[in-house]
Amino acid sequence: EAGVAQSPRYKIIEKRQSVAFWCNPISGHATLYWYQQILGQGPKLLIQFQNNGVVDDSQLPKDRFSAERLKGVDSTLKIQPAKLEDSAVYLCASSLDWSNTDTQYFGPGTRLTVL
Amino acid sequence: GDSVTQMEGPVTLSEEAFLTINCTYTATGYPSLFWYVQYPGEGLQLLLKATKADDKGSNKGFEATYRKETTSFHLEKGSVQVSDSAVYFCALRKTGTASKLTFGTGTRLQVTL
Repeated sequence: EAGVAQSPRYKIIEKRQSVAFWCNPISGHATLYWYQQILGQGPKLLIQFQNNGVVDDSQLPKDRFSAERLKGVDSTLKIQPAKLEDSAVYLCASSLDWSNTDTQYFGPGTRLTVL
Repeated sequence: GDSVTQMEGPVTLSEEAFLTINCTYTATGYPSLFWYVQYPGEGLQLLLKATKADDKGSNKGFEATYRKETTSFHLEKGSVQVSDSAVYFCALRKTGTASKLTFGTGTRLQVTL
């Protein structure tokens, strides 16, 4: 079975520029997550989708970050404008559903460097 | 709020040594507990999990027991290999609509010959 796909793998931009990341979850997975992993820290949830609806975006900086999951499959995460502190690895994960016993499967991540 | 505390690394061991990485948690209710591993240049992979008190998760020679009385989920392996060198993350997850994973800061393990 194919895993979670993400692109691009690496991105370097200057501050105040915009950037977008793409995620394709495992087929049939209803729940999709975006996490931010700053160097030396554990991943932190930015937003959770159940199908194409937002379940939790309490830690998403909504003044600059946005995300969508049209048709309940692929998802994009956008940052506009980027700040230096947004340098991190952005991880996408998916699970069958939102039960606490469901395994979350992670993609390889997109490493963002903001100069 | 919910939180996970892991022992700080890096942990450096010789091959075939015994490994323990401590993990304690703070959460209301009855979370599920997880250990994820991140090998160099790769994404997070689930190593093992336990969904209720006294459950033992195990995989690839690693094991951890869900101890509700001490709110702990320590990771152990009897004999580590060089290929186990990675960053290990302890995490919890509660049921409900907002079933996010809450991670610890990670512990880097370096195994030498």
